[in-house]
Amino acid sequence: SQTIHQWPATLVQPVGSPLSLECTVEGTSNPNLYWYRQAAGRGLQLLFYSVGIGQISSEVPQNLSASRPQDRQFILSSKKLLLSDSGFYLCAWSGIAHLATEAFFGQGTRLTVV
Amino acid sequence: LAKTTQPISMDSYEGQEVNITCSHNNIATNDYITWYQQFPSQGPRFIIQGYKTKVTNEVASLFIPADRKSSTLSLPRVSLSDTAVYYCLVAPEDSGAGSYQLTFGKGTKLSVIP
Repeated sequence: SQTIHQWPATLVQPVGSPLSLECTVEGTSNPNLYWYRQAAGRGLQLLFYSVGIGQISSEVPQNLSASRPQDRQFILSSKKLLLSDSGFYLCAWSGIAHLATEAFFGQGTRLTVV
Repeated sequence: LAKTTQPISMDSYEGQEVNITCSHNNIATNDYITWYQQFPSQGPRFIIQGYKTKVTNEVASLFIPADRKSSTLSLPRVSLSDTAVYYCLVAPEDSGAGSYQLTFGKGTKLSVIP
């Protein structure tokens, strides 16, 4: 069966510090991968999606970046965090063995920038 | 991508049937309608997907009129554990057509009252 791992679960970082959030998927090949952010009391904002290794599409301009160094690994990074980067970050995947619109989400990372 | 509009919030008593309507006036011919459920501090979970008429599974029913400009998620006999945010998405059921751009709106916050 497929599983998705996302860590850490919570993170408190000072403004201006770097960020690295990692997500890995097991049990499937060539998944579509997504990073979402959910600010307090708001909906899910799609940040990045990837359809293959090294293929990253950005949905919104920001000081965040994403990379996919391996087929089932997706990393969200920032060189210098802003207060506005605080939020709940979710990684998700979808694949050909499932409906294209059926995405499976990780448990999320609660990021607080102070 | 078709834009969706949902009520911001709804309240219901336990045991009642709840209907959440989503408007998607600009839905395309190859778009499918998908609903997700999200509990606090968790990632969304796929509930149901449909194209037209009615779809039913063990969790919910989805009603789609002939013009497909709206859809209604029906939850039978809700319980306190159904308190969550419900999202309506419209996207192609074909990865090659861009269904990997899974865009969530703000959703409908359902509160079930004892």
